[in-house]
Amino acid sequence: RKEVEQDPGPFNVPEGATVAFNCTYSNSASQSFFWYRQDCRKEPKLLMSVYSSGNEDGRFTAQLNRASQYISLLIRDSKLSDSATYLCVVNKAGGTSYGKLTFGQGTILTVHP
Amino acid sequence: GAVVSQHPSWVICKSGTSVKIECRSLDFQATTMFWYRQFPKQSLMLMATSNEGSKATYEQGVEKDKFLINHASLTLSTLTVTSAHPEDSSFYICSAREAGGGGEQFFGPGTRLTVL
Repeated sequence: RKEVEQDPGPFNVPEGATVAFNCTYSNSASQSFFWYRQDCRKEPKLLMSVYSSGNEDGRFTAQLNRASQYISLLIRDSKLSDSATYLCVVNKAGGTSYGKLTFGQGTILTVHP
Repeated sequence: GAVVSQHPSWVICKSGTSVKIECRSLDFQATTMFWYRQFPKQSLMLMATSNEGSKATYEQGVEKDKFLINHASLTLSTLTVTSAHPEDSSFYICSAREAGGGGEQFFGPGTRLTVL
């Protein structure tokens, strides 16, 4: 089983649509969680951190369920510029693993006119 | 915000040659830098963790004698792919974590290596 698993995608949605991505992780001791976006042939860029209480940044809402080891990202009112690969990322537990990020395989989103 | 640069941004080399990739934190000091590799249509895979002034820690399955890492200063880490072969062709990305920072990693723009 992969440490971080995401929806395989790809997602093709029209502008203005709402789209949701899901992610599960296997290490219950994982400490922190993120969503990154990666454009083609570019480095990943932090989109937002994910907290147990849920957090929102404009059109983006992230949720974390530690009991289910489940992370989600909701994008409302999709824009063409949201087209990218979205990566679910988990920070491993402490000790020698501190700071090590494990990336999901990514979900490709294409927003069309 | 924190900026990480990589050089070169792309390189094409012949099989058997060695290639050095530099990762620099431009406006902060990084005690720890990470090296990742990303094959087409796959996600980033951590190769090694580089700590300033000490030996790098390699992930399982990554050959330390093939991927030489040096982190000689708080702003520079280098990855040398020795005797590169076509299967080493990949997108290599570094990230840096600020000394005493909250743990966020800042990624470099990546280096695309093509071995002929």
